[in-house]
Amino acid sequence: EAGVAQSPRYKIIEKRQSVAFWCNPISGHATLYWYQQILGQGPKLLIQFQNNGVVDDSQLPKDRFSAERLKGVDSTLKIQPAKLEDSAVYLCASSFAGGRFYEQYFGPGTRLTVT
Amino acid sequence: TQLLEQSPQFLSIQEGENLTVYCNSSSVFSSLQWYRQEPGEGPVLLVTVVTGGEVKKLKRLTFQFGDARKDSSLHITAAQPGDTGLYLCAGARGQGGKLIFGQGTELSVKP
Repeated sequence: EAGVAQSPRYKIIEKRQSVAFWCNPISGHATLYWYQQILGQGPKLLIQFQNNGVVDDSQLPKDRFSAERLKGVDSTLKIQPAKLEDSAVYLCASSFAGGRFYEQYFGPGTRLTVT
Repeated sequence: TQLLEQSPQFLSIQEGENLTVYCNSSSVFSSLQWYRQEPGEGPVLLVTVVTGGEVKKLKRLTFQFGDARKDSSLHITAAQPGDTGLYLCAGARGQGGKLIFGQGTELSVKP
């Protein structure tokens, strides 16, 4: 079974530029999550999708971050404009909506450096 | 506010030693998961504990969920260099699948 795919793996941009990350979840997983992981910290949830609807985006900085999952499968997270403090690893995870314990399966992440 | 506190934050030990990592909270969780993350990779699920007092074993790793479902521990017996990584606990509350992660414990096992 293929895992969660993310691209790119690394990205370096200057502040005020835009960047987009892509995620393809495990086939059949209805729930998709985007996390931000700053060095030395645990992942922080940015947004959760159930199929193509948003379940939780309470910690998404909506003035600069946006995310979509138009067809209920793959998803894109965008940052526009980027700030220095956005430097982090952006993780995508998916889970089977019917799963009782909400185990999540993570992709390898995208390491973003904002200079 | 950090809902899940992990300790210690850093641990450097020699191969063959035993260690315990703690995950504590004042909140009750419906389930608690432990993940291991290696550099440049995403977290990988190790185990899920659900019942208060539950103990699960995965080879040399023993996981325990507190009776009140507010805390958990991970014990590694005879640690090996391959155990090196960031260990994360994550608690699930209510419905919806949202996980709250601890800040992680960085483990280094030297040969």
